[in-house]
Amino acid sequence: AQKVTQAQTEISVVEKEDVTLDCVYETRDTTYYLFWYKQPPSGELVFLIRRNSFDEQNEISGRYSWNFQKSTSSFNFTITASQVVDSAVYFCALPEITGRRALTFGSGTRLQVQP
Amino acid sequence: DAGITQSPRHKVTETGTPVTLRCHQTENHRYMYWYRQDPGHGLRLIHYSYGVKDTDKGEVSDGYSVSRSKTEDFLLTLESATSSQTSVYFCAISEKQNTEAFFGQGTRLTVV
Repeated sequence: AQKVTQAQTEISVVEKEDVTLDCVYETRDTTYYLFWYKQPPSGELVFLIRRNSFDEQNEISGRYSWNFQKSTSSFNFTITASQVVDSAVYFCALPEITGRRALTFGSGTRLQVQP
Repeated sequence: DAGITQSPRHKVTETGTPVTLRCHQTENHRYMYWYRQDPGHGLRLIHYSYGVKDTDKGEVSDGYSVSRSKTEDFLLTLESATSSQTSVYFCAISEKQNTEAFFGQGTRLTVV
């Protein structure tokens, strides 16, 4: 069975601070993908990124960056120079490679960015 | 934005009554899912569908049934609602394996 652990339940930072959200996963698949989703206070789920297990290069998109470490089964998400609009719940997710293709979600990390 | 619509968006119902939530997509995606979101649990899979009339159970399927008679519609039914089914329900669609799933706006269901 797959498992995704987001040990940080809630993080509070002040605007312009950098913050890293941790994600640790377990899977028996040798090939797999990892996703991050954002859930702002309005409640919708917004897809942020998909990475595959073949590519361990860091991904950067504006103020967002992702660090994928296969050796430690981690896929961490860093927001640089955080802004109030980054306040949201962030979910890490692992899709099943076969069968139902459903996502296994972590329990989420609530990020509060204070002005 | 992916074309996914959930209805209703909010519902309050009494214990023991049947409830049906609807998910409608305009993307012609093959895979459709129902998740529930509860504090401390993230999102958990209730049921999923991999084609018309092809459905199967997820981790928390007890008390729920689904139907998919058309590609675009995936219905979730609570046969006899209980207070433990008070939750936010999300529908998701996915085109094929390893692609991202797109989510509907969610339905907040309260069972009193």
